[in-house]
Formats: sequence, C-alpha cells, structure tokens
Amino acid sequence: LAKTTQPISMDSYEGQEVNITCSHNNIATNDYITWYQQFPSQGPRFIIQGYKTKVTNEVASLFIPADRKSSTLSLPRVSLSDTAVYYCLVGERNTGFQKLVFGTGTRLLVSP
Amino acid sequence: NAGVMQNPRHLVRRRGQEARLRCSPMKGHSHVYWYRQLPEEGLKFMVYLQKENIIDESGMPKERFSAEFPKEGPSILRIQQVVRGDSAAYFCASSATSGRRHEQFFGPGTRLTVL
Repeated sequence: LAKTTQPISMDSYEGQEVNITCSHNNIATNDYITWYQQFPSQGPRFIIQGYKTKVTNEVASLFIPADRKSSTLSLPRVSLSDTAVYYCLVGERNTGFQKLVFGTGTRLLVSP
Repeated sequence: NAGVMQNPRHLVRRRGQEARLRCSPMKGHSHVYWYRQLPEEGLKFMVYLQKENIIDESGMPKERFSAEFPKEGPSILRIQQVVRGDSAAYFCASSATSGRRHEQFFGPGTRLTVL
C-alpha cells in the first residue's frame, strides 16, 4: 500500500478555507484516495474519495493533480466543529474490501 | 438506520483477565473490520471478517487475540490474559457487500484500560 505524508498539525480561524495536502508518491494505478475525519473519542468518519481531478460533496472538495502523487482536501469556511484529525488514505478499492491504512493524520485546530 | 454499535464503550480489566468487545454492524452489512488505536496514533488494522469467516487477520497479534463473526449476533474481539500494553481504543467498522464507494462505517469504539 502506498505510504502517505501529511502535516502533523494545522491552525485556522472560523470562516477561513483550509487546505490539507497529502503526498503519496508511490500511488499505484488502481489506488483511490480517501479522506477520513476523526473527532476525539469517536470513530473515523468518511469525508470524500477520489481517483483524479476534482471531487466535491456537501462537506469538502478533493483536488488531485494529473500525476496523482499528491492530493489536497479543501474545507470551505471552517467552523469550530471542524476541529478534528484528518487522515489521508491510499489503497486499492477491491470489490467488497479495502484494508484501511491510517497514518498519524493532520490535527486541525479551528479557533474563534 | 442505526450505525455501527459497539459495547461496552469503556472496559476496565486487571492484568490476566479476559476482555470481550462486541460490534454490531450496520443493518445489511456483512463485512466487519477491527482496528486498534493507541494514544496520539492512527488506527491500525487488525482483522477483517465476513459472516462465519475470517478473511484477513494479518494485523492480529499471534497470541491472546481472537475474533469471530457468527451467523447470528455481533462480532466479538476477544483478548485473553490482558496486559497493560493492550490498553487502547478498539474500533469496529462495517461495509456493505457491494457499493460504489466500499466505504467503511466506524463505530464509537471501546476504550480498554488494563490496570
């Protein structure tokens, strides 16, 4: 499985846009990029998944350049409740199974 | 539609005792995964099960740990003769047999403390 590298922590203020970049230089052709969010004392929660270019949902956007060696999670207009740890994962989306490999994640702190 | 249920949420055991952690997947999900998280670390995969079958247990310690997902009832992660190093948060996740995203849905976790 491809290894990922992301910043250990980031700070932001309410209302700002936050971009968290993840490096995955060894990503394979069949690999997808998935982001999870984890609040203290809770299990991770799926945010977004993509393969290339741009994916957007009601929570975030995911930007993936053509070489797919990195990806950027974009959170528009963050609020205090977005304070959490964000994990970037890369893996093959096999039918029925995806063994998730979590790194240490990026700890985002949103201040008033 | 209830999410993934785990119980107990908190479990305290003394060294040498047994710990049993339960996980009920989301309705309609037949794939269950167990992960362990140490403080300030990411989750580490332990085992993947389908009904009555262990598919991948490559992350399970070779001794004292076992997991099952019977035809009826919840999945059980069992830790025998617990040691202090077993203290961690244990998360269960489930996924559907098919689906566009193969997303895993996580439960709230069981926090095991070994005294």
